[in-house]
Amino acid sequence: DQQVKQNSPSLSVQEGRISILNCDYTNSMFDYFLWYKKYPAEGPTFLISISSIKDKNEDGRFTVFLNKSAKHLSLHIVPSQPGDSAVYFCAAKYGGGSQGNLIFGKGTKLSVKP
Amino acid sequence: DTAVSQTPKYLVTQMGNDKSIKCEQNLGHDTMYWYKQDSKKFLKIMFSYNNKELIINETVPNRFSPKSPDKAHLNLHINSLELGDSAVYFCASSLLGAIYNEQFFGPGTRLTVL
Repeated sequence: DQQVKQNSPSLSVQEGRISILNCDYTNSMFDYFLWYKKYPAEGPTFLISISSIKDKNEDGRFTVFLNKSAKHLSLHIVPSQPGDSAVYFCAAKYGGGSQGNLIFGKGTKLSVKP
Repeated sequence: DTAVSQTPKYLVTQMGNDKSIKCEQNLGHDTMYWYKQDSKKFLKIMFSYNNKELIINETVPNRFSPKSPDKAHLNLHINSLELGDSAVYFCASSLLGAIYNEQFFGPGTRLTVL
């Protein structure tokens, strides 16, 4: 039972264009959502997060949008750069305050072509 | 300086053997985790320790036994290894009080059971 779904296993984008990575979730009790980026042979690294009470959070080229009614969030990268090529994981946190569990999606592999 | 380190990076072993994976963090965090990334690429939490005490134990066979000698270390011991244990195992850490439970991951240990 996947509570966090990333339905696109891969995405290919031209350098300079916008990359949009999507994530859907089923549990309305999630209170925070996080995006992680993972390069091959490395562990995931935190990228950006959003609280469930917000609908947008921006950090430089990265913006996360949250649509609670649709239980959907997306990560926008503008402009995309070749160094952004990686696997992006969507994660959701529920319960337990700061000790809450993180539930991860399967990831989307982004390829940014020069 | 490596924030979260794991050893070994690669581990190849025969079925039925017992093996350990070590994890250390130098971030001053008080909570540590073990995740398993299987062939389907899901990152699933296995265990979580806060101040050396077990706080999360997902449905994991009791052949897996975590040991936390101190806050900076969380080792994973696996008895009687099976083919299905082949996966990448990630250690992570976080700080109690971090609102969205941002976790810092190690580089992973790729375990192959033959």
